[in-house]
Amino acid sequence: AQSVAQPEDQVNVAEGNPLTVKCTYSVSGNPYLFWYVQYPNRGLQFLLKYITGDNLVKGSYGFEAEFNKSQTSFHLKKPSALVSDSALYFCAVRDYGNNRLAFGKGNQVVVIP
Amino acid sequence: NAGVTQTPKFQVLKTGQSMTLQCAQDMNHNSMYWYRQDPGMGLRLIYYSASEGTTDKGEVPNGYNVSRLNKREFSLRLESAAPSQTSVYFCASSSGEESYNEQFFGPGTRLTVL
Repeated sequence: AQSVAQPEDQVNVAEGNPLTVKCTYSVSGNPYLFWYVQYPNRGLQFLLKYITGDNLVKGSYGFEAEFNKSQTSFHLKKPSALVSDSALYFCAVRDYGNNRLAFGKGNQVVVIP
Repeated sequence: NAGVTQTPKFQVLKTGQSMTLQCAQDMNHNSMYWYRQDPGMGLRLIYYSASEGTTDKGEVPNGYNVSRLNKREFSLRLESAAPSQTSVYFCASSSGEESYNEQFFGPGTRLTVL
């Protein structure tokens, strides 16, 4: 079964500094990888996904993620964090040919003014 | 378009009571999902419906039932609520034609079982 690990509970970063949220995955076939963001008391919002092709994926709000097959990682990045980026971030993976998503436990990102 | 809507937003139940959480989407999506979110555990899939007329168990189906009423609506029923079912419940949908399509989430229902 597919699974995702987000090793850090919380990521603290100063406003204007680069932000990285880590994710590693385990699947039996080709992975489809997703990042979602959740603001307080809201549902999850889709940020970006990797299906195939270029390993660097660009998404909403200036976020990007790098797929690394050898390290089975899909880290989320933003060059310059904003206070408004403070939220809960979820990585998710789907097996090829399977409609089910496996979510990580989430990372709380706190951007300090 | 409203996207994915859920009712109610909040609910408090006593142990043993029953209730149905409603979900509807207006994006003509084939697939719909019910998740629960608990602190430190991410989202766990309860049930899903790949298309109208079909439902399948997810990771944590015990204590729940679902109905795919039509293409738009997918309800989640707790027949006899237990304190362990205190959680935030999210409904989601995706076009489902291919497994790489992202899911769209509703705003959630915060359920407390006393």
